[in-house]
Order: sequence, then structure tokens, then C-alpha cells
Amino acid sequence: LAKTTQPISMDSYEGQEVNITCSHNNIATNDYITWYQQFPSQGPRFIIQGYKTKVTNEVASLFIPADRKSSTLSLPRVSLSDTAVYYCPDNYGQNFVFGPGTRLSVLP
Amino acid sequence: NAGVTQTPKFQVLKTGQSMTLQCAQDMNHNSMYWYRQDPGMGLRLIYYSASEGTTDKGEVPNGYNVSRLNKREFSLRLESAAPSQTSVYFCASGDNSGNTIYFGEGSWLTVV
Repeated sequence: LAKTTQPISMDSYEGQEVNITCSHNNIATNDYITWYQQFPSQGPRFIIQGYKTKVTNEVASLFIPADRKSSTLSLPRVSLSDTAVYYCPDNYGQNFVFGPGTRLSVLP
Repeated sequence: NAGVTQTPKFQVLKTGQSMTLQCAQDMNHNSMYWYRQDPGMGLRLIYYSASEGTTDKGEVPNGYNVSRLNKREFSLRLESAAPSQTSVYFCASGDNSGNTIYFGEGSWLTVV
């Protein structure tokens, strides 16, 4: 099954901006790009979605280049509570394929 | 708003026992999913149902069966539990645009 590619882990300090990039080499024309966040002992939750260019909400920004082969999740001024695993699953014909995600550790 | 509800939250089984994990969604979604997540790992798809009356195998279907009882409910059954099925199980439903899925809170299953 097709899977997106993203870094396994990242470390950051409180107050910094964090950018996590995902490769979407098999993205289909009609597919949106969606990012999820998972805290320990909880199910993943939706944080942001986009089709192209830039999307911003109260949690994050999502940058998608014109070719849509990648996306970058940007978390401004992270805090300790942003420590989590972040996923950018491949939407393989409504069969959402999750890789291991990116484990973000925010340090004080 | 309930969203996706899974039961039970925690379960301990002996090897060879059977059990069913229940899942219900109240968002009128067509598609539903069962994933498992092992410690430190990502989510792996067990089975999914694109619509009421249909089910398809995912990445790791062996040892599991599913039933799409109606549009709201999608159950996962372990006929003869094995220690390798010790995991956290997540049910999810997908919105009708096909672009976003919503997860339940998980079911922690231990097989001894």
C-alpha cells in the first residue's frame, strides 16, 4: 500500500516554530492533504487540511506547493503540550494509510 | 457530540478466547475503519467498510473478522485470540467527501 514519507522524530524547544514535511509521491488529483495529531493513550485527531497553497487555522499552518508532491505542517511557537506524534496519511481511495508518523518532542 | 464510540475500553483475554469490539458513529458517515496500533508504531489498517453492506481487507486482516451491522455500527471480532493480537484498536469513520476520518478513543486489548 502506498504510504507517505515523513521524518521519524524531531526535537524542538518551547517557543520555536516547528516545520514537519511530508512527501506525497502517490497523491491523486482529487485528494486533499490532511494532518493528524496523536497524544499518548488517545486516538489521532484532525488538525488541518488543504488542497493547495497555504491554509491556516488556530492550531497550525499547512503549506502545499503547486505540484502537491509534498506538504509542510508548521506549528508556531510550540509548547510542551505540542509533544505528540503527527501523521500525514495517504488517502489511497478512501483507504487511509498511516505510516509511523513524526514523533515531536518539545523540550523546556 | 459523541462522534465515534468504541467499547470496551479495556479487555484482557486468554489465548484462544473470542471477543467482539464494538464501534458506532453518529455522524452519518458512509465509511468506517478498524486500525491497530502497537507500542511505538503507527496505525495499521485491519479492515474497512466503504459503505453499509461492504467490507474489505486492509494491511493486517489475518485473525480478524468484521461486520458492518448498519450504517452506524462496525464491529471487529477476534475468533481465537493470540498474544500477537495484544494491541490498541482504533475505530474510525470517514466523512462523505472521502478526505477526513475521525477516530474513537481506542480499545486496549491484552491477550495472555
